[in-house]
Amino acid sequence: GDSVTQMEGPVTLSEEAFLTINCTYTATGYPSLFWYVQYPGEGLQLLLKATKADDKGSNKGFEATYRKETTSFHLEKGSVQVSDSAVYFCALSDEDSNYQLIWGAGTKLIIKP
Amino acid sequence: EAQVTQNPRYLITVTGKKLTVTCSQNMNHEYMSWYRQDPGLGLRQIYYSMNVEVTDKGDVPEGYKVSRKEKRNFPLILESPSPNQTSLYFCASSLGVKAYGYTFGSGTRLTVV
Repeated sequence: GDSVTQMEGPVTLSEEAFLTINCTYTATGYPSLFWYVQYPGEGLQLLLKATKADDKGSNKGFEATYRKETTSFHLEKGSVQVSDSAVYFCALSDEDSNYQLIWGAGTKLIIKP
Repeated sequence: EAQVTQNPRYLITVTGKKLTVTCSQNMNHEYMSWYRQDPGLGLRQIYYSMNVEVTDKGDVPEGYKVSRKEKRNFPLILESPSPNQTSLYFCASSLGVKAYGYTFGSGTRLTVV
């Protein structure tokens, strides 16, 4: 069945550092891919998405490109801030998941001033 | 404001005492879903609904009931809560999950003693 694998956390960076959080997926069809963010004590918010290969999703300085050849959707940001500290979840949706979301385990990001 | 509203935000109850967590969305979304989030176990889907009177089991439906009598409401019912249902619960809705992902509520923290 479908699955999503994220790099384990926590990931600790200094402010203004470059961020990459890896996400790879397994799917037999043509999934849509999502990144969600959960700030401490809050619900999940959709950060960005891509619905077909080579699409790039972007929001709030974060970017991710849907790479079908490497089955990846890595999250990147050029210069992180303390306020980016949160848990980031990668997810996919396709026909095999009955169009529901298959989630990665989440990656906790800690940004130090 | 477009949103998913869950109530209550916090609830402490005793084993066996029936409870309902309400969920309402004002976006005219067809899809609605309930998740629970537990440390080390990530996000797990309890039930989802694709339209009024159409519901389906997710990954962990045991001990829970749902109903979808109206498009906007999707209550989660625990007929006889047990301590292993202590968790953080999220309701979510979507116009179409593969295209848009889910929009989440703020969460309900349930403690069963």
